[in-house]
Amino acid sequence: EIVLTQSPATLSLSPGERATLSCRASQSVSTSLAWFQQKPGQAPRLLIYYASNRPTGIPARFSGSGSGTDFTLTIRSLEPEDFAVYYCHQRSSWPYTFGQGTKLELK
Amino acid sequence: EVQLVESGGGLVQPGGSLRLSCAVSGFTISNLWMSWVRQAPGKGLEWVANIKPDGSEKYYMDSVKGRFTVSRDNAKNSVFLQMNGLRVEDAAVYYCARSDWPHDYWGQGTLVTVSS
Repeated sequence: EIVLTQSPATLSLSPGERATLSCRASQSVSTSLAWFQQKPGQAPRLLIYYASNRPTGIPARFSGSGSGTDFTLTIRSLEPEDFAVYYCHQRSSWPYTFGQGTKLELK
Repeated sequence: EVQLVESGGGLVQPGGSLRLSCAVSGFTISNLWMSWVRQAPGKGLEWVANIKPDGSEKYYMDSVKGRFTVSRDNAKNSVFLQMNGLRVEDAAVYYCARSDWPHDYWGQGTLVTVSS
């Protein structure tokens, strides 16, 4: 099973700041990695797929990079609605797995 | 409008069974892999099961193999998860999902509580 390790566990920032979230895989997942955002009481929302692609409707301030084992989600200038939990997710091989999450909280 | 509506959750004793249903509208599932994902209260996400469009291939996370069965009825545009031998650690919100990137749609989930 591919283990995804996210860091940091919690990130405290203010609106307007830049957020950088990391995800490391225990073995290569190529670019079969996605990032999800989840707010309390809601289903996860796909932000980035295949490491660096944004679905239609996702704001351009969200960007993803990386390949192999090291990945980054960057939020260029935080908006109030961006404070949530973020999960990375791999589907390079079964079982699909998620990271443990990074909580982005208001400083 | 795309909707995935899960139902069938509830309180069950350890060792009991539940059958979750996912009714889909807004798209046809017949050519799509469908999935179940769960989230224990206050915890992270776990990908539980996948089922191929024709139902001929199914994949399960290790801890539910032999206890859970995913199935589908393409004519009814629905997906199911039969859960037997439920354990306390299976308690979670169970989401039905279509996740063929960039298309990614999830239901709001149904809560399964396992307790005596």
